[in-house]
Amino acid sequence: DVKVTQSSRYLVKRTGEKVFLECVQDMDHENMFWYRQDPGLGLRLIYFSYDVKMKEKGDIPEGYSVSREKKERFSLILESASTNQTSMYLCASSLSQPQHFGDGTRLSIL
Amino acid sequence: SQELEQSPQSLIVQEGKNLTINCTSSKTLYGLYWYKQKYGEGLIFLMMLQKGGEEKSHEKITAKLDEKKQQSSLHITASQPSHAGIYLCGADGLSGGSNYKLTFGKGTLLTVNP
Repeated sequence: DVKVTQSSRYLVKRTGEKVFLECVQDMDHENMFWYRQDPGLGLRLIYFSYDVKMKEKGDIPEGYSVSREKKERFSLILESASTNQTSMYLCASSLSQPQHFGDGTRLSIL
Repeated sequence: SQELEQSPQSLIVQEGKNLTINCTSSKTLYGLYWYKQKYGEGLIFLMMLQKGGEEKSHEKITAKLDEKKQQSSLHITASQPSHAGIYLCGADGLSGGSNYKLTFGKGTLLTVNP
């Protein structure tokens, strides 16, 4: 079974902090994805990576950056957290399709 | 406008009843993926459909992709409380760029009353 592990289930941070969300997959997948999920807006793609050190912007990249130094790990970085980044963050990985998801991180920015 | 429309937005059924959730696109769907999500958790992959007219079943859940490949339905037979959750459809190739990117519908919240 594919295992996608997100480092935290719940996280509370303060406005202006630099926040790191970590995601690790154990299936040697090339593709990794970061989404955020908000009521009424659904699941939206922030960034994805198709190889080590390669990344591509998704639909809502503003205020975020990513890092993929190793194939199994994909990090989402909130450079200066703001309250409108309070959300559920979901990581996924895939070889082609389908995507396999982690359990999510519920992030609150106070 | 939403590229993938799901209907209904929410559904409440009595245990044992059948139900159908729809997912519609204005563009041809090259791959359609159904996921289930329990509240506050990640998405669990259910089924993948790629060919027009394709139908797949797993336990009491059947998913179909129409011949024109613009609409998919998810049908649950004899629903149980364990079927409760949010059902999402996702499709690749809708938003340009890599075909590995998925565009998702907003989801259907299913409640099954015992």
